[in-house]
Amino acid sequence: KQEVTQIPAALSVPEGENLVLNCSFTDSAIYNLQWFRQDPGKGLTSLLLIQSSQREQTSGRLNASLDKSSGRSTLYIAASQPGDSATYLCAVRPNQAGTALIFGKGTTLSVSS
Amino acid sequence: EADIYQTPRYLVIGTGKKITLECSQTMGHDKMYWYQQDPGMELHLIHYSYGVNSTEKGDLSSESTVSRIRTEHFPLTLESARPSHTSQYLCASSESSKAFFGQGTRLTVV
Repeated sequence: KQEVTQIPAALSVPEGENLVLNCSFTDSAIYNLQWFRQDPGKGLTSLLLIQSSQREQTSGRLNASLDKSSGRSTLYIAASQPGDSATYLCAVRPNQAGTALIFGKGTTLSVSS
Repeated sequence: EADIYQTPRYLVIGTGKKITLECSQTMGHDKMYWYQQDPGMELHLIHYSYGVNSTEKGDLSSESTVSRIRTEHFPLTLESARPSHTSQYLCASSESSKAFFGQGTRLTVV
């Protein structure tokens, strides 16, 4: 059974720091991996989607990498800002299009000014 | 970006009441999902649908039921709410690759 783990569970950094959030999954047979942001009491906002054949995706200050063979993904946030404070969730889609996502518990990020 | 809507956003209801959480999407997606999320915990799939008249139970046991009569609408119903149903419920829809989520319904059963 696929399991997704995110480390660390919580992270506090001063504004301006570059940081890395980690995600690991137990079954490398995935269709894609998606990173989300969740603000308190809100739904999920999609940040980046990496297909199984891709190694990385970039959007603005965010860069996500995927190493499918080792079951790992990282989300790199450059020059962090207080507005980046949120919970970041990693989710994998098993090896069929349209199947439901399997989520980690998330990393709660706090960026202080 | 996402055109997926959940109502109500917040609901406080007494034990034993019947409730329906609404979810609608305007993207024409065939696949829709309901997840349950407790504070600090991961999202757990409770129901999904791959199209009209198709519904399946997810990994997490749930006393709720769903229906899919129209492509755009995927309501979740609790016949008799209990305090153990207090949680956040998130609806999602998907094309083949990317999933889109609604803002969620935070349900409190007193």
